[in-house]
Amino acid sequence: RKEVEQDPGPFNVPEGATVAFNCTYSNSASQSFFWYRQDCRKEPKLLMSVYSSGNEDGRFTAQLNRASQYISLLIRDSKLSDSATYLCVVNIRGFQKLVFGTGTRLLVSP
Amino acid sequence: EADIYQTPRYLVIGTGKKITLECSQTMGHDKMYWYQQDPGMELHLIHYSYGVNSTEKGDLSSESTVSRIRTEHFPLTLESARPSHTSQYLCASRRVGGPHEQYFGPGTRLTVT
Repeated sequence: RKEVEQDPGPFNVPEGATVAFNCTYSNSASQSFFWYRQDCRKEPKLLMSVYSSGNEDGRFTAQLNRASQYISLLIRDSKLSDSATYLCVVNIRGFQKLVFGTGTRLLVSP
Repeated sequence: EADIYQTPRYLVIGTGKKITLECSQTMGHDKMYWYQQDPGMELHLIHYSYGVNSTEKGDLSSESTVSRIRTEHFPLTLESARPSHTSQYLCASRRVGGPHEQYFGPGTRLTVT
């Protein structure tokens, strides 16, 4: 079983729609959580960290559910420029490296 | 914007050649990483370093080697390139003791013919 699992998608949504991605992690020692965005043939870029209380950055909201071991990303009012792959990323306590999910692909159409 | 650089950005080279992919960062980060990623596929960690003179192998076995003689510099070398090495190579860094997020360079797209 993979440490971090994501639905690969693609999620096809129209502009203006709200879309949500979930990600599950298997290691209960996971302590830090992130969403990265990766455009086609580009490097991953940090979108936002995920805090225990949940956090919001403009149209993006991230939430953490430690009991069920999943994190989520909600995107409101989708823009064409939101089309990308969204990577769920976890840091496990005692490990010196991040664990990356395979990513969820989002396609926003006009 | 992260200050981490990779050169070359694109490289096409013949089988058997020795190549070095450069990665440097000006953020004073101690920890640096190399990932390999094929198109549409997940990232695989191939090497990492905690600091100067520290190197470790990652999760994916790789025929490449790395060195860390200076904090800001973490080059990756392939002694004899093969077509199976064709991929994108991404370098990343983070600082010790701070948030765990990593910052990525723009990547080197390597094609071995």
